[in-house]
Amino acid sequence: GENVEQHPSTLSVQEGDSAVIKCTYSDSASNYFPWYKQELGKRPQLIIDIRSNVGEKKDQRIAVTLNKTAKHFSLHITETQPEDSAVYFCAAIQNTGFQKLVFGTGTRLLVSP
Amino acid sequence: EPEVTQTPSHQVTQMGQEVILRCVPISNHLYFYWYRQILGQKVEFLVSFYNNEISEKSEIFDDQFSVERPDGSNFTLKIRSTKLEDSAMYFCASNLPGEIGTALKFSYEQYFGPGTRLTVT
Repeated sequence: GENVEQHPSTLSVQEGDSAVIKCTYSDSASNYFPWYKQELGKRPQLIIDIRSNVGEKKDQRIAVTLNKTAKHFSLHITETQPEDSAVYFCAAIQNTGFQKLVFGTGTRLLVSP
Repeated sequence: EPEVTQTPSHQVTQMGQEVILRCVPISNHLYFYWYRQILGQKVEFLVSFYNNEISEKSEIFDDQFSVERPDGSNFTLKIRSTKLEDSAMYFCASNLPGEIGTALKFSYEQYFGPGTRLTVT
């Protein structure tokens, strides 16, 4: 089955710096890659997603890039702010037709003022 | 904006007891899911449900677990005889994959509920 690896497990940056989180997946049939932000004790919230027919997608300060050949995708956050501090999870959907999300292990991002 | 809701927010139970976790998915969604997250770990898929039957389940979802859609709005997860290792946050999610709205934007997005924290003592 699908396996998603995520790095780094923790990331500390200064406010205003950029942050990059990387994920790799194993199933070449996966075709949808969402990123979720989870604050302590809260639900995962979708922040950006990308489908396999697109190489890059941007939404204000966040962007996601996808390399299908290498089977990896990355989240880029620019001009980080303290409120970006949270755990970020990447995920992939196995192409089974029933959208089972397989999550990465998470990255704890800490943005210091 | 419609949201997935879950009750209770926190459930404490003794080992061996049965628990039922309840979810109300977004009303026009057709696919329903349960995930769990052990404290400090990643979110793990348990089961997906469509057209009144399980479409896929993980190895975690053994005979102690069951799901049901008893009416047109609720979606429940039952654990028959809880174990200490069942302690986790349980998230319900729902979606309606396909083209959405007039923008013809295709979406797989799964909408998560706020979760039920299950503590087994």
